[in-house]
Amino acid sequence: ELKVEQNPLFLSMQEGKNYTIYCNYSTTSDRLYWYRQDPGKSLESLFVLLSNGAVKQEGRLMASLDTKARLSTLHITAAVHDLSATYFCAVDIRPYFGNEKLTFGTGTRLTIIP
Amino acid sequence: EAGVAQSPRYKIIEKRQSVAFWCNPISGHATLYWYQQILGQGPKLLIQFQNNGVVDDSQLPKDRFSAERLKGVDSTLKIQPAKLEDSAVYLCASSSTPLLAGGKETQYFGPGTRLLVL
Repeated sequence: ELKVEQNPLFLSMQEGKNYTIYCNYSTTSDRLYWYRQDPGKSLESLFVLLSNGAVKQEGRLMASLDTKARLSTLHITAAVHDLSATYFCAVDIRPYFGNEKLTFGTGTRLTIIP
Repeated sequence: EAGVAQSPRYKIIEKRQSVAFWCNPISGHATLYWYQQILGQGPKLLIQFQNNGVVDDSQLPKDRFSAERLKGVDSTLKIQPAKLEDSAVYLCASSSTPLLAGGKETQYFGPGTRLLVL
């Protein structure tokens, strides 16, 4: 059974600081997704990583994927309050060509303190 | 472009009652997903439709949960009878062309239905 673990589960950081959220998974996959969820809201897609070594950046967020280590990271640079949310990684292990089947991590609740 | 629509947004029922949720995906999206998100956890896939056919329902508790997607557009998810542990947010998502087929989108999620079973 695929396990997807994130750490930390809770993260409180000051504005302007840098930090990294880690996503480990237990089964071989080269497709990983990052989502953001605000309190009481639905999930918003942030990044889609489709190969080993993939790196994508959007504003203060940068995501990377190391399929050999079964590890993805979400790096936050110079955090601002607007980034406060819960971040989920999700791994796709669909063994055949077709639509993705996502297994989500436990989530990291990020709070940015002014 | 309109997003994924879900209704109702909130529902409170007593255990052993029945409840149904409705989802209207983004226009033209062939694939529709229902997820269950328990408080403090990530979403868990319950069922996936491709047009009006079921692709994956391996994690759907079929003794009490059922879902259908008539005509390959709207979908309903039903729970009968509900248990206390069914209290969760039920998320509907849709996607278009599979990523490996050259599609660019990932799954788009609706606002969810918050269910409380008392």
